[in-house]
Amino acid sequence: GESVGLHLPTLSVQEGDNSIINCAYSNSASDYFIWYKQESGKGPQFIIDIRSNMDKRQGQRVTVLLNKTVKHLSLQIAATQPGDSAVYFCAENAGNMLTFGGGTRLMVKP
Amino acid sequence: DTEVTQTPKHLVMGMTNKKSLKCEQHMGHRAMYWYKQKAKKPPELMFVYSYEKLSINESVPSRFSPECPNSSLLNLHLHALQPEDSALYLCASSQVSGNSNQPQHFGDGTRLSIL
Repeated sequence: GESVGLHLPTLSVQEGDNSIINCAYSNSASDYFIWYKQESGKGPQFIIDIRSNMDKRQGQRVTVLLNKTVKHLSLQIAATQPGDSAVYFCAENAGNMLTFGGGTRLMVKP
Repeated sequence: DTEVTQTPKHLVMGMTNKKSLKCEQHMGHRAMYWYKQKAKKPPELMFVYSYEKLSINESVPSRFSPECPNSSLLNLHLHALQPEDSALYLCASSQVSGNSNQPQHFGDGTRLSIL
C-alpha cells in the first residue's frame, strides 16, 4: 500500500514467496509509470516501467500491472530474495515531471 | 554501480558557508534533474534542465542555485542554508523524451547536513 506520513508501510514476506506492492496514483494525465527500488544509502534504482497504453509488463522476476480505471499500479516480485529488501517507490510521469508515491518497505525473512 | 555520479557523498556545512554539489553523467542524456529527499519520504523534484536550459523550478528558495555548464554536468550551488535543508540530494538524468517517455536514472546522492 501507499501512505505519506512518518512511517513507511511495510510488507514482510518469507524468502521464496511472491511479493505484491501496491500504489495508487492521482493524476489522470499521467501516461508513464515507473517502479524504483531504493536500498539504504543508495539512490532510486530503475526496476521496470509501463506506458499508459499497456496494462501489464513483465521483466525478470518482476511484473507491473496498471489499472487506469481505478488509478492503481502494482509490482509483483516472484520468488522474493533477501537482496530484494529495500524501499519501493512507484512514480507517475506527466510532461517530463516525475511524482513519487510514498514508498513501501519490503522486508524479506530468511 | 550507478551511471550518474554525484560528489561529494557526504557534506556538512554551516549556515553561512557556500558549497556546491556536483553531478556527472556520460549516457548522452540531455535532461538532468535535482531532487531533495528527506528521511522516510519520497524524492521531491527541485529543478529540471533540458538541453542545458532550466525548464522547471519547483518554487525552490533562492539559496539553492542550479547550474548546467554542459550536457554532462549539473551543479547545485548552496548558500546560507537552513537546518531544515538537511537531506539527501539526488541527481537524475534521462533522454529528452518528446512523445515517448524515458526513465530517469539516479545517482546515489549527496547526504547534506546543515549545522
